[in-house]
Amino acid sequence: DQQVKQNSPSLSVQEGRISILNCDYTNSMFDYFLWYKKYPAEGPTFLISISSIKDKNEDGRFTVFLNKSAKHLSLHIVPSQPGDSAVYFCAARAPLSGDDKIIFGKGTRLHILP
Amino acid sequence: KAGVTQTPRYLIKTRGQQVTLSCSPISGHRSVSWYQQTPGQGLQFLFEYFSETQRNKGNFPGRFSGRQFSNSRSEMNVSTLELGDSALYLCASSYMTGSDEQFFGPGTRLTVL
Repeated sequence: DQQVKQNSPSLSVQEGRISILNCDYTNSMFDYFLWYKKYPAEGPTFLISISSIKDKNEDGRFTVFLNKSAKHLSLHIVPSQPGDSAVYFCAARAPLSGDDKIIFGKGTRLHILP
Repeated sequence: KAGVTQTPRYLIKTRGQQVTLSCSPISGHRSVSWYQQTPGQGLQFLFEYFSETQRNKGNFPGRFSGRQFSNSRSEMNVSTLELGDSALYLCASSYMTGSDEQFFGPGTRLTVL
């Protein structure tokens, strides 16, 4: 039972354009969402997060949007750069439920094309 | 500040054997979580330790166990290895349990033949 779903295993985007990575979740108790980025042979690194009290959080070229009613979030990267090519994991937590482990999606591999 | 270190980086075992993986968190971090990454399942939570106590556990069989020492270093043990245990095992540390941001190590690539 996948509580955090990233339905696109891979995505290719032209350099300079906008990359949009999508994530859906099923557990309505999730109230904190995170995005991690992973390069080959390295562990994931934290990218950006958003609390359920917000619908948008921005950090430089990265913006995360949260639509609670649709149980959907997305990560926008603009403009996309070659170094953005990596696997992106969406993750969620439900700390207020007393179970605060982080649940990850399966990841989306982003290819930035020259 | 040194990052999270995991040893060994690569390991090859045969079915039925057991394996112990080690993780040293960032200095000062007291929470250590373990994850299994496979191509088909992504990152799956194994367990979390904080102050030598297991705080959370994922849906893995009892063959998977762990512990944490007083210096916050953690070990993960898998007994009676199966082919399906082949994966990248990632360790992540954070200052407190339930922290929003975890810092991951490079992982241990386990291959079971």
